[in-house]
Amino acid sequence: NAGVTQTPKFQVLKTGQSMTLQCAQDMNHNSMYWYRQDPGMGLRLIYYSASEGTTDKGEVPNGYNVSRLNKREFSLRLESAAPSQTSVYFCASTRSTSGTSNQPQHFGDGTRLSIL
Amino acid sequence: KNEVEQSPQNLTAQEGEFITINCSYSVGISALHWLQQHPGGGIVSLFMLSSGKKKHGRLIATINIQEKHSSLHITASHPRDSAVYICAVIAGGTSYGKLTFGQGTILTVHP
Repeated sequence: NAGVTQTPKFQVLKTGQSMTLQCAQDMNHNSMYWYRQDPGMGLRLIYYSASEGTTDKGEVPNGYNVSRLNKREFSLRLESAAPSQTSVYFCASTRSTSGTSNQPQHFGDGTRLSIL
Repeated sequence: KNEVEQSPQNLTAQEGEFITINCSYSVGISALHWLQQHPGGGIVSLFMLSSGKKKHGRLIATINIQEKHSSLHITASHPRDSAVYICAVIAGGTSYGKLTFGQGTILTVHP
C-alpha cells in the first residue's frame, strides 16, 4: 500500500532556483493538501485542493504555486526559492468531497528542503 | 493566542508510566485529530474524534466538546512511544478538511 508518495525526499537549492515537489496518492481521495513544518511554528497549511480541478490558498501561500494535475497528483512549485522556505514539506490527502470533512488525513513521508 | 494549544510542550517519563497530553482549542470544530511523528519521520494519524472517547491498544483519546478540550493518554508507556504528538482540529462549517495544528508535545520515554 503506497498511500501518499512524495518526491524528492531531500533537496538542496540555491536562492533563486525553482523546483517542483511532487505528491501522488493511490487511495482515490478527493482532497489534497500541502503543509510546511518549521521548528517552533508547527505545521501550517500552504495550499489545498478540495477536488480535482480546484485549488485554494491556505495560511502561508506566498512564494508557492500548486497544480492539481489530476485526481491522484498535487504538486507544489517554488518559482524563486528563498532561505525562508527552508522547511519540511508534507503532502496529505483525505476522502472528503467538500464542505465539512470528518475523514482522517493520510500524510506522505515529507520532503526536507534546504535553500542556501 | 494560537487556536490550538497543547500542554505540556515537553514530557519525559519512565517506562511503564501513565502519560497524559492535553489539547485545548478556541474555535468550533467538526473533528479533532491526534497525530504521531517519530524523529525524522512521517506523520501518522492515531485518532480522529468528534465526541466521546476512542481506544486503540495502549492509547486512549477523549474529547469534551463543551469545554473545547481533548486528552491523549498512553498507558504503560514504552520507549518506542517516544515521538512528537500533535493535536489538530477541523473547524466547523465549510472547512474542506483543512487542519489547524497545535505546536506538538515532545515525549521521551526512558527505559
